[in-house]
Amino acid sequence: DARVTQTPRHKVTEMGQEVTMRCQPILGHNTVFWYRQTMMQGLELLAYFRNRAPLDDSGMPKDRFSAEMPDATLATLKIQPSEPRDSAVYFCASSRTSGGVTGELFFGEGSRLTVL
Amino acid sequence: AQSVAQPEDQVNVAEGNPLTVKCTYSVSGNPYLFWYVQYPNRGLQFLLKYITGDNLVKGSYGFEAEFNKSQTSFHLKKPSALVSDSALYFCAVRPGSGNTGKLIFGQGTTLQVKP
Repeated sequence: DARVTQTPRHKVTEMGQEVTMRCQPILGHNTVFWYRQTMMQGLELLAYFRNRAPLDDSGMPKDRFSAEMPDATLATLKIQPSEPRDSAVYFCASSRTSGGVTGELFFGEGSRLTVL
Repeated sequence: AQSVAQPEDQVNVAEGNPLTVKCTYSVSGNPYLFWYVQYPNRGLQFLLKYITGDNLVKGSYGFEAEFNKSQTSFHLKKPSALVSDSALYFCAVRPGSGNTGKLIFGQGTTLQVKP
């Protein structure tokens, strides 16, 4: 059963610490998205990649967030330094884009981050 | 600006009754429209999508949605609700022009189905 895998599922850290979240997209999916979910803002798109190249990271606070795809099977989202306002659930989603058309997104279970 | 609106924070229905969760959108070009469901502490699951063709789209778990271009709406429906349908539902839109692939999500509607 193909699925998007995210680690860690839960992370509690102190303000100022570095946090790295990882995502393994579904094999064969070439488009990867990072979303953040909070009660106040709902689902916000942070960044996304196609064929490992970043297409849009305008939703990310550039001074502290960074997203990369070191290879086709791994996407990372890093926060350094972390702040309490970064507390949220971070979702990775993947999709297949072919012929210029992107199919539906498949979401991971999320990484719940708490910054104290 | 491109946006999706789900006007109801919560919808309450009795089991066995029909349900409707509303969604309206504002995008440029012909939209691609989606519904997702989220159960507690889980990721979002795809329910159905409209790309083109028949305005009535059928999806998973007996859900369907009707695309109405003149009203710019894409309401989610089910003829007979189940208690297990209780969850958070998201409408999402992908602008049809310049397909970037990214989805714009509504704020979500909590569906509560009572026995």
